[in-house]
Amino acid sequence: IAGITQAPTSQILAAGRRMTLRCTQDMRHNAMYWYRQDLGLGLRLIHYSNTAGTTGKGEVPDGYSVSRANTDDFPLPLASAVPSQTSVYFCASSDSDETGEQFFGPGTRLTVL
Amino acid sequence: RKEVEQDPGPFNVPEGATVAFNCTYSNSASQSFFWYRQDCRKEPKLLMSVYSSGNEDGRFTAQLNRASQYISLLIRDSKLSDSATYLCVVPASYNQGGKLIFGQGTELSVKP
Repeated sequence: IAGITQAPTSQILAAGRRMTLRCTQDMRHNAMYWYRQDLGLGLRLIHYSNTAGTTGKGEVPDGYSVSRANTDDFPLPLASAVPSQTSVYFCASSDSDETGEQFFGPGTRLTVL
Repeated sequence: RKEVEQDPGPFNVPEGATVAFNCTYSNSASQSFFWYRQDCRKEPKLLMSVYSSGNEDGRFTAQLNRASQYISLLIRDSKLSDSATYLCVVPASYNQGGKLIFGQGTELSVKP
């Protein structure tokens, strides 16, 4: 692969079920991010990781918990999905937390019923 | 005041037109700014970075006014392929966590 990938592309999930949104990059970028994009609200940062082993809270972290075991992967687990987590989720990476260019994955469209 | 605010869209323009989008930001300490482009149901992609007073890349010009805290994006000779949503992006202030704040975006539709 070249770049950043996400899986699944889309998912319909019953409330209360668990799932993990996957994100993998092969660019050896140190920093990775999870955003959600909702109509009228734009992209909002959920969590970020400046380097493997560290994470930080973004603008909307409630209901999400992340960890980053290695450089390439930054999964977003949903322990017990709720309807308010219905959104389009984008993962991104950058080679430095000081630069502005972030490379985005194609997104995961999640519907929680 | 929101950290970043953009012109409300959509902008509907004919091919060949010149169109400009404005964006205001609240963090006066910001040093770098960005315009991203997002096509329908696709991921955002970096269009331009703005580190000083402005930047030009072909038909696209980004300008920065630090005194008034706004950034603009000018597109000359619009093409059908310019139709997309344009996101103004600024660094997050410390207490917001994270790194970048994205505006809600301005939708551009270029018509034949």
